[in-house]
Amino acid sequence: DGGITQSPKYLFRKEGQNVTLSCEQNLNHDAMYWYRQDPGQGLRLIYYSQIVNDFQKGDIAEGYSVSREKKESFPLTVTSAQKNPTAFYLCASSPTSGNRGEQFFGPGTRLTVL
Amino acid sequence: GENVEQHPSTLSVQEGDSAVIKCTYSDSASNYFPWYKQELGKRPQLIIDIRSNVGEKKDQRIAVTLNKTAKHFSLHITETQPEDSAVYFCAASPYGQNFVFGPGTRLSVLP
Repeated sequence: DGGITQSPKYLFRKEGQNVTLSCEQNLNHDAMYWYRQDPGQGLRLIYYSQIVNDFQKGDIAEGYSVSREKKESFPLTVTSAQKNPTAFYLCASSPTSGNRGEQFFGPGTRLTVL
Repeated sequence: GENVEQHPSTLSVQEGDSAVIKCTYSDSASNYFPWYKQELGKRPQLIIDIRSNVGEKKDQRIAVTLNKTAKHFSLHITETQPEDSAVYFCAASPYGQNFVFGPGTRLSVLP
């Protein structure tokens, strides 16, 4: 699939380690988002970025960090401060920040803490 | 802030029957309501959306209705097929703000 990609697909982490999840898009979208998905729950917003070099916390930002140095890239770091990081992580993008419109999702990264 | 509820959490229907999933929202400023379908192990994909200036939108076997007064919107799937089996998420968003997603409905279409 083109458009928006995430890597790796599966990631295993030991407790106390930081890990970084990659998200890249070639859709020329201004806005990018990180969501966390847990079984039986909807998508919860971690961080979002409306433009390069700018990002804001979502509903569950504690224990996570992001950067937006390039329009195409929005990596998410899961730090050791995140108490329950095992989850499915989805990255998304949308054309503009003013009118969210349709969000395009990446294929996701499944993170497991051992 | 916005809060979105979704019912039912699971739904089983016979192939060929109709399925209806309902969402309610709390923020009267919300004006965009997308529906996403997520097949097992795959990414969510937009299947239909509606804006607050219309009451109904249809795309082949899928339709969405919106009742702004009651603050609810529903997804209708007619003539269900096995490939419709998936988790469906609704979302609501005021203009220029982030989506709030419902918890999802797992639809199973039984042959």
